[in-house]
Order: sequence, then structure tokens, then C-alpha cells
Amino acid sequence: AQRVTQPEKLLSVFKGAPVELKCNYSYSGSPELFWYVQYSRQRLQLLLRHISRESIKGFTADLNKGETSFHLKKPFAQEEDSAMYYCALSGGSNYKLTFGKGTLLTVNP
Amino acid sequence: SQTIHQWPATLVQPVGSPLSLECTVEGTSNPNLYWYRQAAGRGLQLLFYSVGIGQISSEVPQNLSASRPQDRQFILSSKKLLLSDSGFYLCAWAGGSPLHFGNGTRLTVT
Repeated sequence: AQRVTQPEKLLSVFKGAPVELKCNYSYSGSPELFWYVQYSRQRLQLLLRHISRESIKGFTADLNKGETSFHLKKPFAQEEDSAMYYCALSGGSNYKLTFGKGTLLTVNP
Repeated sequence: SQTIHQWPATLVQPVGSPLSLECTVEGTSNPNLYWYRQAAGRGLQLLFYSVGIGQISSEVPQNLSASRPQDRQFILSSKKLLLSDSGFYLCAWAGGSPLHFGNGTRLTVT
């Protein structure tokens, strides 16, 4: 069975501080990992995926297969980064995603 | 470009009443379609997914059912709602790319 764990329900940082949202997964094969974000009153949207290896809005995430982690990082948080972040895993070709419970990030001025 | 429409945005229904939530996708053909439920503190739970017309897979036992009468239409239904069916329901589609979500329906069962 596949599982995604986001240990922090809430995370609060100040503007300009580094931020790291933790994500650990459990999957026996080769997973594909994603981060989704939901800003206030907006739909859930894809932030980034590990196979793209790109930085979106200053965020990066590296897949660490040894630690089964896919933490989301940003060196300098901005107030507009405040949102709910979900880590998700896909283990098959039908894009059936398993989501973590989410972390609510608040960036204070 | 592809768009996904989901309605209604909010719905208040009494216990025991029927339910029908509709989702349609435009700008693509033969998409995979999904229904998720988002509950506070529980994340997103996959309820149903469909890879084609009339093909429905249920992920969790529950009081709900899904149907796909047309290629780009996905319907979530119930014959008799329970209080525990309250939640935020999200429709999503995928077609060779990660999931794209609709705006969701907030269902309150009273």
C-alpha cells in the first residue's frame, strides 16, 4: 500500500525566512511525487513534480529515495506563499494520486 | 486549452435525500476522471476514478456511487445522503499529465 505522511499540520514562518515542508512516503516501487498547493479561495493546483526537477515560485523539492522523502523548500518565504500544501504520490499509470493530509503554511509579515 | 467545470459550488441537503454532483471537462478527449473528497484534517481521499465511458473503479466502500455517461462527464450520486457524507468534493482529470482539479463542491448534509 502507498502512503504519504506530512507530519506538520501547521507551519508558521516570517517573511524572508527559509521554509521546509516535510513529506515522507511509503511505496514499494518507483513512485512519482508531486506537490500541490491551494491558495485561499482558489482551486487545488499542481506546484511541481519531481521528474521535472524545476523551481516553481522559488520552491524546489528533491526526491530522496534513501530517506523516502520529498521535502518542499524555499530559501526566502513570501507572504503570498501562505496556502495549504499537499504532497502526493502516484504509483501507477492512471495518475491515481495518494495525498498527504496537508500542511497549512502561514508566512507572517 | 482544457477546462474543468464542477457544480454546484455549494449544496445543503437533508439526511436521506438524493445527491447528484456533475463534472465536465472541455478541450480534451478520453481523459481519466476522478472524484476526491477533502475532509478537514484528513487530506484528500480518492473515491472513484474512470478511464473511459461506463468504466468506474471505486476506491473505498461508501454510500456514494459514480457514473460516466459521456466521455467528458463524470457524476457523483447518492440515493440517500448520510450526515457523514458532508465534505468538500473535488473532481479532477488527467490525460498524460498530473491531475487538474475543479473548484469543488461544498456539501453539507443536515
